[in-house]
Amino acid sequence: DQQVKQNSPSLSVQEGRISILNCDYTNSMFDYFLWYKKYPAEGPTFLISISSIKDKNEDGRFTVFLNKSAKHLSLHIVPSQPGDSAVYFCAASAPGNQFYFGTGTSLTVIP
Amino acid sequence: DAGVIQSPRHEVTEMGQEVTLRCKPISGHNSLFWYRQTMMRGLELLIYFNNNVPIDDSGMPEDRFSAKMPNASFSTLKIQPSEPRDSAVYFCASSFSLRSNEKLFFGSGTQLSVL
Repeated sequence: DQQVKQNSPSLSVQEGRISILNCDYTNSMFDYFLWYKKYPAEGPTFLISISSIKDKNEDGRFTVFLNKSAKHLSLHIVPSQPGDSAVYFCAASAPGNQFYFGTGTSLTVIP
Repeated sequence: DAGVIQSPRHEVTEMGQEVTLRCKPISGHNSLFWYRQTMMRGLELLIYFNNNVPIDDSGMPEDRFSAKMPNASFSTLKIQPSEPRDSAVYFCASSFSLRSNEKLFFGSGTQLSVL
């Protein structure tokens, strides 16, 4: 059973606008959440993370929001750029445990 | 650092053949993970090691799959015999430890096609 879910397989956004990628999880023991970005023919690379003791973490154009009561996190990209076009994976982990990944959301930023 | 190195990048084989995928983790990393990427399940964890010892192999789909880590700098994932449904991208990743806030560093993956 998928413990981390990304219900939107794809998303298209105009350059300069905001991209919002969503992720839901089921395990209340998860205490650390990450977003990875993947370009074709490459491995996923770390983008941004957030601890469960926070509800927001910002790094440049990328902000991750965590809503523990709803077991939901989101990644905001503002402004979106064509180079942001990639597959984005949400991941979650519990202490001493492995990471669980979602199925990914393919983001296309239209110039 | 060269990062996580996987070989081969692409593997095309016929059903029933043995397939061996290789991984060299980042030097100094104590944990190694094997993932499989499919459309339906995304990045699916197959097995992971800590200090060369397998910790959890519950994600290995069948007995046809096996993984070893004979030393800190090398791991293999073997499929014998291979089947068409094993076709996927297989990723190896490493991290410094199993702490939940450790980032995973991924290799470029092996695209496996079983005909």
